[in-house]
Amino acid sequence: TQLLEQSPQFLSIQEGENLTVYCNSSSVFSSLQWYRQEPGEGPVLLVTVVTGGEVKKLKRLTFQFGDARKDSSLHITAAQPGDTGLYLCAGDWSGTYKYIFGTGTRLKVLA
Amino acid sequence: EAGVAQSPRYKIIEKRQSVAFWCNPISGHATLYWYQQILGQGPKLLIQFQNNGVVDDSQLPKDRFSAERLKGVDSTLKIQPAKLEDSAVYLCASTLGGYSYNEQFFGPGTRLTVL
Repeated sequence: TQLLEQSPQFLSIQEGENLTVYCNSSSVFSSLQWYRQEPGEGPVLLVTVVTGGEVKKLKRLTFQFGDARKDSSLHITAAQPGDTGLYLCAGDWSGTYKYIFGTGTRLKVLA
Repeated sequence: EAGVAQSPRYKIIEKRQSVAFWCNPISGHATLYWYQQILGQGPKLLIQFQNNGVVDDSQLPKDRFSAERLKGVDSTLKIQPAKLEDSAVYLCASTLGGYSYNEQFFGPGTRLTVL
């Protein structure tokens, strides 16, 4: 059974601080997605990474896919209260575009 | 473009009762997923449909859970009988399908509490 471990599990920071969230597995991904989920809503896709070593930026969010395609990170610069939510990574091992979700990182940004 | 619709939003039942959830995906989306999300965890795939056929139901507890997708559009997920450990949010998602890295569009979920 493939597992996606995310760390940290919880993170509470002040507005303006930087943070990094990690997603790790012992298996190689064909592709990996990051989602953000707010209370009472479904997850919303932030980015899909495909190539080992790939870096994608979305405003203040930077996503990196590990060279070996076994891990990924999400870095947020100058966090804002609107960044608060549950961040989920989802990996596709088999190339079937069926994603298995990680354990999640719950982020709270205090004003 | 209308999003994925789910109903009801909340449901409270006693253990051993039955419950059904409904999902209407985005128009034209061929692939539909049902996920179970237990509090504090990531979503776990229960079943995946491609049009009205089942692609993967390996993690669906078939002794108590069932799902169908009529005419390749709407879908229902049923639990009979419910157990305490079924308390969770049930999410429906849809994608266009095909062979691209599809974005899954999620509905708001149905929060089930089993007492």
